[in-house]
Amino acid sequence: NAGVTQTPKFRVLKTGQSMTLLCAQDMNHEYMYWYRQDPGMGLRLIHYSVGEGTTAKGEVPDGYNVSRLKKQNFLLGLESAAPSQTSVYFCASKVHLNTEAFFGQGTRLTVV
Amino acid sequence: QQQVKQSPQSLIVQKGGISIINCAYENTAFDYFPWYQQFPGKGPALLIAIRPDVSEKKEGRFTISFNKSAKQFSLHIMDSQPGDSATYFCAATRAGNTPLVFGKGTRLSVIA
Repeated sequence: NAGVTQTPKFRVLKTGQSMTLLCAQDMNHEYMYWYRQDPGMGLRLIHYSVGEGTTAKGEVPDGYNVSRLKKQNFLLGLESAAPSQTSVYFCASKVHLNTEAFFGQGTRLTVV
Repeated sequence: QQQVKQSPQSLIVQKGGISIINCAYENTAFDYFPWYQQFPGKGPALLIAIRPDVSEKKEGRFTISFNKSAKQFSLHIMDSQPGDSATYFCAATRAGNTPLVFGKGTRLSVIA
């Protein structure tokens, strides 16, 4: 059972480049989330989805877009990467509200 | 506005001692309070969680104390071990389509 899998694990981008981070879960969870983790800032919510075909903005959505075309996948896109988007990105999923959220291993992104 | 405030930012405890991490929240509608543990290079993982209908929950060496009137909750790690060295996050959420809100984290180091 793979749980939550993030691809890629590491990436270096040049300013202005675009990329997509993929999150895949095999637990049939309804809810999926993208967080970024920065030193001293904790985990901040970027975007989330409460079901296939739905997305919503979190605390820090600017510069990111998301899509949830399939229930098991949640994609995070950066259209024009900026150095301020250098961070570790975590995807999480859970089956119901007020239950355990399962996190992926993270994607370390560096924008130069 | 930070909805969940966590302290201290870092903590050093002797092996066998008690580690205490505190969190305070603003939103009285929150009704689920989990603690997550994160080891370097890994995603956060649920450690223990509590709902506001109880004042304390214990699982092994880990205990959550909850004070509804003060809007505070804390994690106590008894007989702290070097293997407990990690970053700990408190979080909160409420019924409805509301994602988890995390504190900024506490880096715990347990030294022999």
